This record gives sequence, C-alpha cells and structure tokens, in this order.
Amino acid sequence: AQKVTQAQTEISVVEKEDVTLDCVYETRDTTYYLFWYKQPPSGELVFLIRRNSFDEQNEISGRYSWNFQKSTSSFNFTITASQVVDSAVYFCALSEVNFNKFYFGSGTKLNVKP
Amino acid sequence: NAGVTQTPKFQVLKTGQSMTLQCAQDMNHEYMSWYRQDPGMGLRLIHYSVGAGITDQGEVPNGYNVSRSTTEDFPLRLLSAAPSQTSVYFCASSRLAGGYEQFFGPGTRLTVL
Repeated sequence: AQKVTQAQTEISVVEKEDVTLDCVYETRDTTYYLFWYKQPPSGELVFLIRRNSFDEQNEISGRYSWNFQKSTSSFNFTITASQVVDSAVYFCALSEVNFNKFYFGSGTKLNVKP
Repeated sequence: NAGVTQTPKFQVLKTGQSMTLQCAQDMNHEYMSWYRQDPGMGLRLIHYSVGAGITDQGEVPNGYNVSRSTTEDFPLRLLSAAPSQTSVYFCASSRLAGGYEQFFGPGTRLTVL
C-alpha cells in the first residue's frame, strides 16, 4: 500500500491564482515527520518544510502555507498568488522514526501559466 | 561546503555491464540514502545507511549493492545492468535518520540499452 498519496498528478493554474496540493499519508508510528520538497525543471530537489507528528499548527512562509491534520492524515500545501517560478514538481514525504526510511509520494506537477 | 556530490551526471550502459555511481557528502551526516526516480512514481528508496559500516535495504534493492566504509562516501553498485534500471538516481544525506531534512545530490541520469 502507498504510504504517501498525492492524488493530483498535474495541476495547471494561471498566475496569481491560489492552488492547493494534496498529500495523504499512512503510518502506524506515533512519531513521524512529514516533508515537502520542490523539484524545478532543472531537476534538483529543494527542501521546503518539515513537520513532526506532535505539532499540528499550520505554518505560513511568505506565499506558502501548510495545513497538517492528523484526523484525516493529510498534510496539504497551498501556494497563494502563484507565480510562474512556482512551476515544478512537488513531492510530499513521510519519515517513520522507528524504521529509518523515507517514503515519497508520486509528486504533483504544477504548471503556472502567465 | 560542496554538500552532496554525485558522479557521473550522465551514463549510458549496455545490458549486463556493471558500474558504480559515486556519492559523497562533506557535512558529516550519519544518514545516507539512494533513490531512483521514474516518471509517475516519485522517488523510491533503494538502500540506506545510518552510519559507517551499516547499510540496509529500501523498497527496491534488487540489482543494487552498497557499502559504507567511511562517513563521507556511499557508492551504489549496479552488478549487471538491465533496461529496467534506466532511471535518474539521487543520493541524499541527513544529520541522522528519522525526522531530519535530507539534502540531495544533483542526480545521475542512467540509460541502459
């Protein structure tokens, strides 16, 4: 079974629109961490955020915000007022502390058109 | 700090050939890992190491070997390349296992003919 599911394969928006990327995870560990990474067209992987399972506070960083809900096992990522430079593949990932492994979702490709 | 470095950037192999993908980090990180990235499948963990001398299998270990003789280096060996191993390979490191951010290398694009 998939540990991390990103159901949206590809999303296209017009610049300045808000967009939310969904991430649903599955784990039996009580202590775990969730991550988002960005992969721009150049191919490198860029870390965006880390949350631990005990901290459900939402986080905002500039135009980016993250909504963590344990009740629905979701860790969604919203970009406000999207820009062309936001065009990339975004990956959600789960780390289970007891198993030393990271699990990545299949990624959501975001296309932001001018 | 160079971070995580990988060589080569590109490689073409014939079926049955062997080769080693190199990975090195200069951040004194204990945890290192190898992933492969295939279209529509995200990144899948091949092997990982929680410290020098300790390695373990990830989701897709078949056809690959690793060793970790030093903290800095974590090479990935393809014993007998197959077309199914055509992929982009990423090496990553983090301070420790568990909940630490991973730093990724630039990737190696491997084609097996």
